[in-house]
Amino acid sequence: QVQLRESGPGLVRPSGTLSLTCAVSGDSISNSYWWNWVRQPPGKGLEWIAEIYHSENTNYNPSLKSRVTISVDKSKNQFSLKLRSVTAADTAVYYCARRSSSWLDYWGQGALVSVS
Amino acid sequence: QSVLTQPPSVSGAPGQRVTISCTGSSSNIGADYDLHWYQQLPGTAPKLLIYNNYNRPSGVPDRFSGSKSGASASLTITGLQAEDEADYYCQSYDSSLNGRVFGGGTKLTVL
Repeated sequence: QVQLRESGPGLVRPSGTLSLTCAVSGDSISNSYWWNWVRQPPGKGLEWIAEIYHSENTNYNPSLKSRVTISVDKSKNQFSLKLRSVTAADTAVYYCARRSSSWLDYWGQGALVSVS
Repeated sequence: QSVLTQPPSVSGAPGQRVTISCTGSSSNIGADYDLHWYQQLPGTAPKLLIYNNYNRPSGVPDRFSGSKSGASASLTITGLQAEDEADYYCQSYDSSLNGRVFGGGTKLTVL
């Protein structure tokens, strides 16, 4: 059974960098899937952030691209998100997810990150 | 402002049928990119409900069905049950953004 689990600081200072890691179990991150980050501000809808495939291929939400970096650590079977210059508007639950073809089939439980 | 448009809320009584719409444009649904639906129960992560317009993952009841036509798609729930009360999101790919896009979400209330 594929499982994803987000981890990272729950509180980040304004203008700082948000860093999250998604540990993958039950699957190899080197397999043919895209690994995604999605966020959800409190009481609001889902927003796609970025995705990565085999370390070399990445896609970013144009509205966040200038501040976001997604990366893979194959040795630890995990992938990471860094969001720079954060403001209160970046407060959200951050989810990692696996993309199979064009849909997101496995999701982490989510990690709440507050900017304050 | 979401790229895909959904009604903010729908409601129905137990046993009834409800439909949630998802409207896109010529760079996403209208360009024949597949549409997917997710169910998010309160306090939990989204769960894949329908993929590739009308397919159900294993374990999803056949009360849930999807359809797509042109630049729009719909999720229909028949035989509404109290446990269906949740937020529902549509998702596709947008070629002008080169990324995944979601609808704003629809809150389903079971009366």
